Amino acid sequence: DTGVSQDPRHKITKRGQNVTFRCDPISEHNRLYWYRQTLGQGPEFLTYFQNEAQLEKSRLLSDRFSAERPKGSFSTLEIQRTEQGDSAMYLCASSSSGLAAGELFFGEGSRLTVL
Amino acid sequence: QKEVEQNSGPLSVPEGAIASLNCTYSDRGSQSFFWYRQYSGKSPELIMFIYSNGDKEDGRFTAQLNKASQYVSLLIRDSQPSDSATYLCAVKPGGYQKVTFGIGTKLQVIP
Repeated sequence: DTGVSQDPRHKITKRGQNVTFRCDPISEHNRLYWYRQTLGQGPEFLTYFQNEAQLEKSRLLSDRFSAERPKGSFSTLEIQRTEQGDSAMYLCASSSSGLAAGELFFGEGSRLTVL
Repeated sequence: QKEVEQNSGPLSVPEGAIASLNCTYSDRGSQSFFWYRQYSGKSPELIMFIYSNGDKEDGRFTAQLNKASQYVSLLIRDSQPSDSATYLCAVKPGGYQKVTFGIGTKLQVIP
């Protein structure tokens, strides 16, 4: 068990560019979450997948954000036309239906800096 | 009103003392409550969860839940410098799978 893996760990981009982050969950976990965290704040929920189905999405998530989990394994989070306000740590977490609901295993995160 | 409210701290306690961390939540239908610990520059890790009113103990940690008051707390006995971290209260609202986090309370244990 290698834990939740995220790639890239750091991304610096210019405003207006598109970026994509990848998350590989723990292999037997069917639930996958994306969160965003800025300095001094708690993780903010973005979206949730159960297997390949995106079942919940934050109302705060603009149309520039899209997430997929095509085969119920890895997931990608794409941000189009990045803005400076998108600078944050993007955290992926996975869980299993067999675990306590809300017992999340987090990856190390992908830090985005938008210049 | 925020869904999960915590005092951001910092909360400073001397080594060996009891640290008391508090959290309130707004959704009365919430059923699951969690405490995560986040060291500086690291990702959150779960340390305790509680579903029922009352206390739940695990080693030096005790989680307390009062659903009538919509209040969750975490007690850390015999605090150690290694406990210095941000403690995030998290709640799973009823009917949803998302987990909502508070801002976190920064704990500093002074040797």
